[in-house]
Amino acid sequence: GQQVMQIPQYQHVQEGEDFTTYCNSSTTLSNIQWYKQRPGGHPVFLIQLVKSGEVKKQKRLTFQFGEAKKNSSLHITATQTTDVGTYFCAGPLRAGNMLTFGGGTRLMVKP
Amino acid sequence: DGGITQSPKYLFRKEGQNVTLSCEQNLNHDAMYWYRQDPGQGLRLIYYSQIVNDFQKGDIAEGYSVSREKKESFPLTVTSAQKNPTAFYLCASRLNGNSNQPQHFGDGTRLSIL
Repeated sequence: GQQVMQIPQYQHVQEGEDFTTYCNSSTTLSNIQWYKQRPGGHPVFLIQLVKSGEVKKQKRLTFQFGEAKKNSSLHITATQTTDVGTYFCAGPLRAGNMLTFGGGTRLMVKP
Repeated sequence: DGGITQSPKYLFRKEGQNVTLSCEQNLNHDAMYWYRQDPGQGLRLIYYSQIVNDFQKGDIAEGYSVSREKKESFPLTVTSAQKNPTAFYLCASRLNGNSNQPQHFGDGTRLSIL
């Protein structure tokens, strides 16, 4: 079936280092959404990308949608301990714009 | 999210017992969803409802049942047929099932076997 793949599954970084997670879809997406789940918490919506090649920034977070609208990335500059959590991408791969979530990338930051 | 309330926060199930997880939303959203999350894993869709009085099976519906008698409520029953129910259950809602609106999640229910 149609899938959304995320890599890496886990990432340990030293505080202050950069971090990137990648999301790849088996098919072209009309949009892609990113969510963050803190340890013990629930996913919280971060952003949605719609246009081919779109780049959006939220403070130290940079989100990018590929030109072919099949991949996306989230880059965090100078990680902080507050960035710890699992980052999920999600795209409408099913009928009726139902979201399919990627497996997530778990970010751990060493102070 | 403040608009979606899941209860209880923790639940223990005895063997052979059915248990029901509550999900209530006051966001006036049409669509509601149930996901299962195992430790260190992603979200797997159990059931979803695009509109009141209608629901559809997701990817892992076996051993679960739902109802959608009211717009604001979408309870999930974990039946005794679900042999490995220990997981974190997340309820979510969206304004309209066919839209590109983001999903809002509840705080989740952690279910364990006694």
